[in-house]
Amino acid sequence: EAGVAQSPRYKIIEKRQSVAFWCNPISGHATLYWYQQILGQGPKLLIQFQNNGVVDDSQLPKDRFSAERLKGVDSTLKIQPAKLEDSAVYLCASSATFLAGGDFETQYFGPGTRLLVL
Amino acid sequence: AQSVAQPEDQVNVAEGNPLTVKCTYSVSGNPYLFWYVQYPNRGLQFLLKYITGDNLVKGSYGFEAEFNKSQTSFHLKKPSALVSDSALYFCAVRDPNTGGFKTIFGAGTRLFVKA
Repeated sequence: EAGVAQSPRYKIIEKRQSVAFWCNPISGHATLYWYQQILGQGPKLLIQFQNNGVVDDSQLPKDRFSAERLKGVDSTLKIQPAKLEDSAVYLCASSATFLAGGDFETQYFGPGTRLLVL
Repeated sequence: AQSVAQPEDQVNVAEGNPLTVKCTYSVSGNPYLFWYVQYPNRGLQFLLKYITGDNLVKGSYGFEAEFNKSQTSFHLKKPSALVSDSALYFCAVRDPNTGGFKTIFGAGTRLFVKA
């Protein structure tokens, strides 16, 4: 079974530029998460999707961050404009749904995208 | 407020010795508890979880964790450490009181196993 795919793996931009990250979850996983992991900290949930609907985006800085999952499969996270403090690793994860039965509690993570804002 | 604490930034242990990585949480009700491991330049890998049942849960690579409801703790343990266990370990809690079972991660504990 293929894991969670993310691209790009690394990105360097200047402040005020825009950037986008892509994630493809494990096949059949309806729940998708985006996390921000700042160096020395644990991952912080930015947004959680259930199919193409948003379940939780309470910690997403909506003035500059946006995310979409239009067809309920892959997802894009965008930052526009980027700030220095956005330098972090952006992790995507997915999990099965409660209604699907089985292991819905466990999240499976992609390798992450390391963003450096100069 | 919901929170997860990993009180040690780093744990040092000699190979072959037992290891413990500590985690305490502050979430009401019956949260779901997890341990993940992160190797350099890689995402998080699932180790084990506690949902319900036996307080001692076993996971990957010989790791186990003990759930203690009265102390709101979920410490990660291994009877005999390996050098290859050296990595960053995260404790996480999923709050069943929220619609999406919101996940909160601890800050992480770096485990260093010396040969």
